[in-house]
This record gives sequence, C-alpha cells and structure tokens, in this order.
Amino acid sequence: DTAVSQTPKYLVTQMGNDKSIKCEQNLGHDTMYWYKQDSKKFLKIMFSYNNKELIINETVPNRFSPKSPDKAHLNLHINSLELGDSAVYFCASSQGDQNTGELFFGEGSRLTVL
Amino acid sequence: GQNIDQPTEMTATEGAIVQINCTYQTSGFNGLFWYQQHAGEAPTFLSYNVLDGLEEKGRFSSFLSRSKGYSYLLLKELQMKDSASYLCAPMDSNYQLIWGAGTKLIIKP
Repeated sequence: DTAVSQTPKYLVTQMGNDKSIKCEQNLGHDTMYWYKQDSKKFLKIMFSYNNKELIINETVPNRFSPKSPDKAHLNLHINSLELGDSAVYFCASSQGDQNTGELFFGEGSRLTVL
Repeated sequence: GQNIDQPTEMTATEGAIVQINCTYQTSGFNGLFWYQQHAGEAPTFLSYNVLDGLEEKGRFSSFLSRSKGYSYLLLKELQMKDSASYLCAPMDSNYQLIWGAGTKLIIKP
C-alpha cells in the first residue's frame, strides 16, 4: 500500500495553462506539505497544512494554491504556468500538528512547462 | 541567515566507509535530520539527532555537535545500492526543515 501517493507522476504542459497535482496519504497524519525540488536539487517548502493552520512560504507566487478537501488530501493548483515552474513537486506528510521532521514523501510529480 | 554546507559529490569504494559532513547555521535549532534520495525517487528518512553525540542504526550512524553547528553521516560496509544523494536538514526554531542541496555519493566496485 502506498503511504503517500501523488498524481500525475509526469505532467507536460504549455505556458499559461492551469494544472493540478493531487496528493493523498493513508497514514492518518495530521500535517501535509508541498515541496518543490528544482534542477539544483534544493528542496524548498511551499506549503504546510493541518486542520488548524495553513503556512505559506512567502516566496511562493500566489499562482500556486493548496486545496485540502479533507485531512488525507492536499492538492496543488497552479495557474498561468511559467517556464520557471518546471520542477519536481513532492507531497509529504508527518504525524501531529507540529512538524516532527520525519516526513513521508510521495514519489514526486515532474512538471515540464514548454 | 540560514545556511547548510555539505560537499556536492563524493566517491567511495564498495565495502569501504565514508563520512559525509554537514555544517549549518539556523535561527534556533530543534534537531537535525538526514535523508537519502535515490535518483528520480523521493527522499526517505534516515536519522534524527537532537542531542550531541553519535546515533547508530545498522550500517549508518549520525553524529551531532550543536556547539559547532556540525553533523556527519557515517556509512559503513558500503553497498552499490548506497549510491544516492544524502540530504542534511536541520530544523529551526519554527520547526521548519532547512534543506541543503545534498551530497551525491557514488559507489564504485
């Protein structure tokens, strides 16, 4: 059973389009995250979300928005895609309201913007 | 500012021992994590240190010195499958992980 699953794994699209990446975790965790890993392999936190709080990294453009229909899901919506958005996006989860640091990552979604 | 420094790439021989160093500067400190990431895959948790000293877990050990802002990951009896990137990630006072770019470890037969 996949603990943290995200779809699609690969996404190729044109500049200006709007796209979504879905994430689901079956671990019963309280907190979920979205990370962006660029070509230089730095992992950058975009959002963390639990039932009480959405924390947004202030460097993330407002074209990116997380949507959580329930505790087990945190989807990422991206509007007006730009070339610089090409990266691998990882969803992750952790137990408890506060980040324990032990993250369980999904397999990643490689987004290519042409 | 917050900063992580670890070597970009290291090469070692199968069966040998390798030490991957990490120095860090963070706003506050709530422990340090090591993650392993194989090419094209997600990072996976390896270890967590919050007190000074060595934590051993099988072939992998992790060391922390808070006063020096220094940690290392020690890998023994290297296997080909250990070829991966190793990410050092201290946690700051806001419980946010600060990620380095990782050290790419290449294992040669």
